[in-house]
Amino acid sequence: GAVVSQHPSRVICKSGTSVKIECRSLDFQATTMFWYRQFPKQSLMLMATSNEGSKATYEQGVEKDKFLINHASLTLSTLTVTSAHPEDSSFYICSAVAGDGGELFFGEGSRLTVL
Amino acid sequence: GQNIDQPTEMTATEGAIVQINCTYQTSGFNGLFWYQQHAGEAPTFLSYNVLDGLEEKGRFSSFLSRSKGYSYLLLKELQMKDSASYLCAVRDSNYQLIWGAGTKLIIKP
Repeated sequence: GAVVSQHPSRVICKSGTSVKIECRSLDFQATTMFWYRQFPKQSLMLMATSNEGSKATYEQGVEKDKFLINHASLTLSTLTVTSAHPEDSSFYICSAVAGDGGELFFGEGSRLTVL
Repeated sequence: GQNIDQPTEMTATEGAIVQINCTYQTSGFNGLFWYQQHAGEAPTFLSYNVLDGLEEKGRFSSFLSRSKGYSYLLLKELQMKDSASYLCAVRDSNYQLIWGAGTKLIIKP
């Protein structure tokens, strides 16, 4: 099946720094990618929909200036958490739609810990 | 509003069968997905139903009734590695995925 790669899998940073997470579709082109965050023992929460070549669509309550999303090519979307704070510590997961069937494939996830 | 309900937690015995139910109320329907998620990992795709009926894939089967807004995931011959959370998600008329909270399945020897 289709493969989505996410990097880094784990990152620890100091409060106030920015962290970039990459999401790549390895064997297909993804015009649409999704970014989620997940707190422990909770379900996935959609943060934004990333469309290649255009601005991301953010869900209500998600700060677009804090969570910068760039989808510069058909195989790469990036999420940058700017000026990270401890409350931003979470599991961030990307996914991409493959093919006309609309099946969703997930990256491995990135665990962010902000000290 | 849009809503997906599934049990919070279920317990089953190794080798047995378990059925995880999912009911939904969404604005339109364009398919229902089941995902498996082990702790600390990203979800992995299990099944997709868009027409009524049963889809079988090895030890896992998924059933859909659109008129009842109901689906279930059936896991047979349970193995310890099946201990995970199982997420039900429905794609609405805008092709947005609406996620259930997940069912934590605990398998006991």
